[in-house]
Amino acid sequence: KQEVTQIPAALSVPEGENLVLNCSFTDSAIYNLQWFRQDPGKGLTSLLLIQSSQREQTSGRLNASLDKSSGRSTLYIAASQPGDSATYLCAVRKNYGQNFVFGPGTRLSVLP
Amino acid sequence: DVKVTQSSRYLVKRTGEKVFLECVQDMDHENMFWYRQDPGLGLRLIYFSYDVKMKEKGDIPEGYSVSREKKERFSLILESASTNQTSMYLCASSNSGTIVRNIQYFGAGTRLSVL
Repeated sequence: KQEVTQIPAALSVPEGENLVLNCSFTDSAIYNLQWFRQDPGKGLTSLLLIQSSQREQTSGRLNASLDKSSGRSTLYIAASQPGDSATYLCAVRKNYGQNFVFGPGTRLSVLP
Repeated sequence: DVKVTQSSRYLVKRTGEKVFLECVQDMDHENMFWYRQDPGLGLRLIYFSYDVKMKEKGDIPEGYSVSREKKERFSLILESASTNQTSMYLCASSNSGTIVRNIQYFGAGTRLSVL
């Protein structure tokens, strides 16, 4: 059974810092991996989707990498801003299926 | 922009009541999903649907049922609400076809309290 973990559970950084969020999964046979952000009391917003054949995806200040063999993905946020404060979740899709398995999330606070 | 709309942001119900949570998407997506989100447990899939009148159990279907009579609408039903169903419920939809398009889009969530 696929399990997804995220470290750290919470992170607080001063504005302007570059930071890395980690996601680990136990079964490397994934279809793709998606990073989301969730603001308090709200739904999820898709940030980046990485296919199993890709190594990384970039969108603005965000860069997500994928190392399937080691069961890891990282989300790199450059020059963090207070507006980046949110919970970040990663989710992996099982092979040949449509279901995501979600990690518990990392709660990020960027202090002005 | 894709829009996934959940009919209620907050609901308060009594134990034993029948509860309907509605979700509508406007992008003609084939796939729709219902999750619940609880502190420390993350998102867990309750049910999903690949097509009209089609449904599949997720990881925690007990105590829930679903209905998909029209492509754009996916309803989650709590036949007899219990206090352990107090949670945040999130609906999502996605396209089928190519992998690149298979991104899940989420609604704003419904926070359900069962008293």
